[in-house]
Amino acid sequence: GNSVTQMEGPVTLSEEAFLTINCTYTATGYPSLFWYVQYPGEGLQLLLKATKADDKGSNKGFEATYRKETTSFHLEKGSVQVSDSAVYFCALMGTGGFKTIFGAGTRLFVKA
Amino acid sequence: EAQVTQNPRYLITVTGKKLTVTCSQNMNHEYMSWYRQDPGLGLRQIYYSMNVEVTDKGDVPEGYKVSRKEKRNFPLILESPSPNQTSLYFCASSLSRERGYEQYFGPGTRLTVT
Repeated sequence: GNSVTQMEGPVTLSEEAFLTINCTYTATGYPSLFWYVQYPGEGLQLLLKATKADDKGSNKGFEATYRKETTSFHLEKGSVQVSDSAVYFCALMGTGGFKTIFGAGTRLFVKA
Repeated sequence: EAQVTQNPRYLITVTGKKLTVTCSQNMNHEYMSWYRQDPGLGLRQIYYSMNVEVTDKGDVPEGYKVSRKEKRNFPLILESPSPNQTSLYFCASSLSRERGYEQYFGPGTRLTVT
């Protein structure tokens, strides 16, 4: 079946550091890929998405590229801020339905 | 304001006492879904619905029921809750695949079963 693996946290960075959170997936066909963010005490919000190979999703300085050849969708940001501290989830929605698989989440702490 | 609402936000109950968590969305979304969030496991899909009267199992459906009689509502029913259903539950809704299935999440319901 489909699966998503993302790097374990927590990840602790200083403000303005470069961020990478790795995400790899296993799926048949061409799934849609997502990054969601969860701030403390809140529900998840979509951060960015990509629906086909080589698509790049971007939002709020975050980027991720759908790499079919490496089955990856790594999240990057060039300069993190304290306000980026949150839990980040990689997710996959398979073809032909609405079944969604989430990764375990990566907690990010950004220090001032 | 476009939103997904869940009630109650917090619930403490005892083993075996039937409960319902309501979910409602005001965005006319076709798709709705329930997830549970547990530490180290991320979110796991319980049930989803692609339209009124159309529901299907996610990865962890055991011990849960759902119904979709109206487009806007998607209640989650625990007929006989057990302690292993203690979790944080999220409802979500989404437009069609043409919009990339972006999901909008409710604020969550923290359930404790003793």
